[in-house]
Amino acid sequence: SQQGEEDPQALSIQEGENATMNCSYKTSINNLQWYRQNSGRGLVHLILIRSNEREKHSGRLRVTLDTSKKSSSLLITASRAADTASYFCATDGGTYKYIFGTGTRLKVLA
Amino acid sequence: DVKVTQSSRYLVKRTGEKVFLECVQDMDHENMFWYRQDPGLGLRLIYFSYDVKMKEKGDIPEGYSVSREKKERFSLILESASTNQTSMYLCASSRQGAEAFFGQGTRLTVV
Repeated sequence: SQQGEEDPQALSIQEGENATMNCSYKTSINNLQWYRQNSGRGLVHLILIRSNEREKHSGRLRVTLDTSKKSSSLLITASRAADTASYFCATDGGTYKYIFGTGTRLKVLA
Repeated sequence: DVKVTQSSRYLVKRTGEKVFLECVQDMDHENMFWYRQDPGLGLRLIYFSYDVKMKEKGDIPEGYSVSREKKERFSLILESASTNQTSMYLCASSRQGAEAFFGQGTRLTVV
């Protein structure tokens, strides 16, 4: 299986704190993406970072990519209760066939 | 507004039945995907299609087949449903190298 892994599996923080989650993957990639899933729903795309990029920002989100370590991190700053969700990374394995990790469950306490 | 529509939110089928899960996208995307999601296992790719009538196996294709006769429609077929296929099924579509858009999912229970 090419499936990647997110770390930690679960994370619980207070509102206003920053949340960091990590993703490790196994194959070379063209891009890496992060998605959010609210309970029992479909996934929503958050951010895409290409293999030649090292860092990308979108609002309160910051994504880094280290292709030499085959890893990425997602930082959510100043978290809110509405950020409570599962977060997944997805890689394309160089083929545009998107493979998802096992996810990080984030709980933001008000 | 972009849309990926799955035919059912909830489905209950009997063991041995042939089951069709339908997915339609209105964005003219080349790529379409079927995943299943189980607790603790994340999303696992069942099949991927990159063009009409073209398909590739994902990580867990056993017990499933797919059909893509038109660009906008990608069907997942369970030839003979079994209880271990009880799961949440998610369909997605994308352009090459771009973000994927997901349907709301079909929660299938096989009894």
